[in-house]
Amino acid sequence: KAGVTQTPRYLIKTRGQQVTLSCSPISGHRSVSWYQQTPGQGLQFLFEYFSETQRNKGNFPGRFSGRQFSNSRSEMNVSTLELGDSALYLCASSSRTANYGYTFGSGTRLTVV
Amino acid sequence: EDKVVQSPLSLVVHEGDTVTLNCSYEVTNFRSLLWYKQEKKAPTFLFMLTSSGIEKKSGRLSSILDKKELFSILNITATQTGDSAIYLCAVEGTSGTYKYIFGTGTRLKVLA
Repeated sequence: KAGVTQTPRYLIKTRGQQVTLSCSPISGHRSVSWYQQTPGQGLQFLFEYFSETQRNKGNFPGRFSGRQFSNSRSEMNVSTLELGDSALYLCASSSRTANYGYTFGSGTRLTVV
Repeated sequence: EDKVVQSPLSLVVHEGDTVTLNCSYEVTNFRSLLWYKQEKKAPTFLFMLTSSGIEKKSGRLSSILDKKELFSILNITATQTGDSAIYLCAVEGTSGTYKYIFGTGTRLKVLA
């Protein structure tokens, strides 16, 4: 059974650019959540999608957005990149919201220069 | 404000030692607490705790939750170098805009 797949693994962008990250959840998992991980802040919740609908959203600016497709794959987009957006972006899927915890992907390491 | 605090922030021990990692929380309408181990990138699931006083155990790892005092501990006995990792605690509530709130983690290093 394939795990959570995130692409790309690494990304280098310049300030002002935009980026799109992709996440394919475990087959059958309909909930996908995104987190930003930085050394000082730990894991910060970005948003959660379930059946193509955003169910929860964290305290991030509007430059951070996401969506989920009918096959449960999810993308997140960051526009007008800032240096502070450099982080590991982790995607996690679960089979039912709130009951079974997450399975995480290996993340996308984004570096903004 | 809901929060999860882990302590210590980092810990260095020798193989064979026993360690106790702490996680305290303040969350509205607590539902569950999870422990994860993060070695390189993807955190891997260790335990989910929902009831006070019931110890969860997996090999040399065990964890327990105290919902009255709002904390959980993760114990690792007879530590090995392979236990070196960041240990993350996450708590789920039912209000606010989050799914799980994570602590900043405890970085454990086990020396041979």
